[in-house]
Amino acid sequence: GAVVSQHPSRVICKSGTSVKIECRSLDFQATTMFWYRQFPKQSLMLMATSNEGSKATYEQGVEKDKFLINHASLTLSTLTVTSAHPEDSSFYICSARTGAVCYFGPGTRLLVL
Amino acid sequence: QQQVKQSPQSLIVQKGGISIINCAYENTAFDYFPWYQQFPGKGPALLIAIRPDVSEKKEGRFTISFNKSAKQFSLHIMDSQPGDSATYFCAASLSQGAQKLVFGQGTRLTINP
Repeated sequence: GAVVSQHPSRVICKSGTSVKIECRSLDFQATTMFWYRQFPKQSLMLMATSNEGSKATYEQGVEKDKFLINHASLTLSTLTVTSAHPEDSSFYICSARTGAVCYFGPGTRLLVL
Repeated sequence: QQQVKQSPQSLIVQKGGISIINCAYENTAFDYFPWYQQFPGKGPALLIAIRPDVSEKKEGRFTISFNKSAKQFSLHIMDSQPGDSATYFCAASLSQGAQKLVFGQGTRLTINP
């Protein structure tokens, strides 16, 4: 099956710093990638949809200046959490779409101290 | 219009039994219905998916039943095993374009040995 990787798998940072998470589709090209946030024992909350070469579309309530998304190529999207605060601590998961099918990355656990 | 309702929220099944999870959707334009399996601390993994032109799809011990007129679909896990213990998410989307997945709330399945 198609493989999506995320890096890093977990990161601990100090409040006020920025953190970049990479999402790569390893064996297919993804015109669309999605970024989700998941709280414990809850469903996935879509943050934004990104298409290669264009600006991301953010879901209502998601601050685009705080969660910067770049989709520079058909295999790479990045999410940067700027000026992270403890409330940004969460599990961030990316997804890459090929055709109708979405494949998910393994997730990144972010802990902001 | 965009919601997918999933039940039950949690489910306990004895080893060897049948696990059944149900989902209902509202948007009749949806034409792609995947199920994802998620283990703690991992990203969701695509399990099986169905399109509305068929009423059932089977892959190994996993079967999706689809009722277009009722706008419902369900996942059946036959001969459930302890290794099947995970959270299961149903989803729905449009198969064309950059359409996002609309997720159900998730079902935490526990298979007792």
